[in-house]
Amino acid sequence: AQSVSQHNHHVILSEAASLELGCNYSYGGTVNLFWYVQYPGQHLQLLLKYFSGDPLVKGIKGFEAEFIKSKFSFNLRKPSVQWSDTAEYFCAVNTGGFKTIFGAGTRLFVKA
Amino acid sequence: NAGVTQTPKFRVLKTGQSMTLLCAQDMNHEYMYWYRQDPGMGLRLIHYSVGEGTTAKGEVPDGYNVSRLKKQNFLLGLESAAPSQTSVYFCASSYSTGTGDNEQFFGPGTRLTVL
Repeated sequence: AQSVSQHNHHVILSEAASLELGCNYSYGGTVNLFWYVQYPGQHLQLLLKYFSGDPLVKGIKGFEAEFIKSKFSFNLRKPSVQWSDTAEYFCAVNTGGFKTIFGAGTRLFVKA
Repeated sequence: NAGVTQTPKFRVLKTGQSMTLLCAQDMNHEYMYWYRQDPGMGLRLIHYSVGEGTTAKGEVPDGYNVSRLKKQNFLLGLESAAPSQTSVYFCASSYSTGTGDNEQFFGPGTRLTVL
C-alpha cells in the first residue's frame, strides 16, 4: 500500500535557523506531491506542490521543496525560519487517483 | 467566496448518540472528502465523493456514512457514536483533473468529543 513517512514528529528551532523536514513516500510510479501547513487554530492550506518539471519548487513564505525521484523524497526547506512559521506541516502524495495520502505531520515550534 | 465551511465547529456526544456534520463549498468543485485528524496519525480519509450522488469509502469508513445530494454539500453521519470517534474532522474539496494534481481546499474543522 502507498504510504508517506515524515521522519520528524516534533522540531524545535530558534528564529533564523534553517529548516529541513523530511518526507518519503512508497510508490514507484508517477506522483503528485504536496506540502500543506496548518497554523495554530487554522485549517490546512497548501504550501507548495510538485506535478512535473523542475524538481525544485518554491512555495509561499519562502519555503521550497526538492523532489528527488531516486530517493522517493520530497523534503521541505526554509533557509531562515521565523516565529510565525510555528505550525504543523503535512506532506501528501497523490498517485493519479482520487485519493491523496497524508503523512503523520511534523509539529514545528520556533522560539523567538 | 466562503470557500469550504463546516458546521458545527464543536460538538460533544454521548456514546450511542447520532449526529451529522455538514460541509459546504462554493467553488463548484467536483470532488469532496471527509478526513479525521488524530495526533501522530495525520489525516486519514473516511469517505470521498467524485460527484453529486456518488460516494466511496476511504481508509477508515467504519462507523460513518455520507451523502452528496447536492454538488456543494457533503454530509458525514455518525449513527451510533463511540469514544474512538473522538477526533477533529476536516472536510475538503478539489477540482477534478483526473490526474491527481489537484490541490485540496480545507474547511476549518469540527472538533468532536464522544464521552
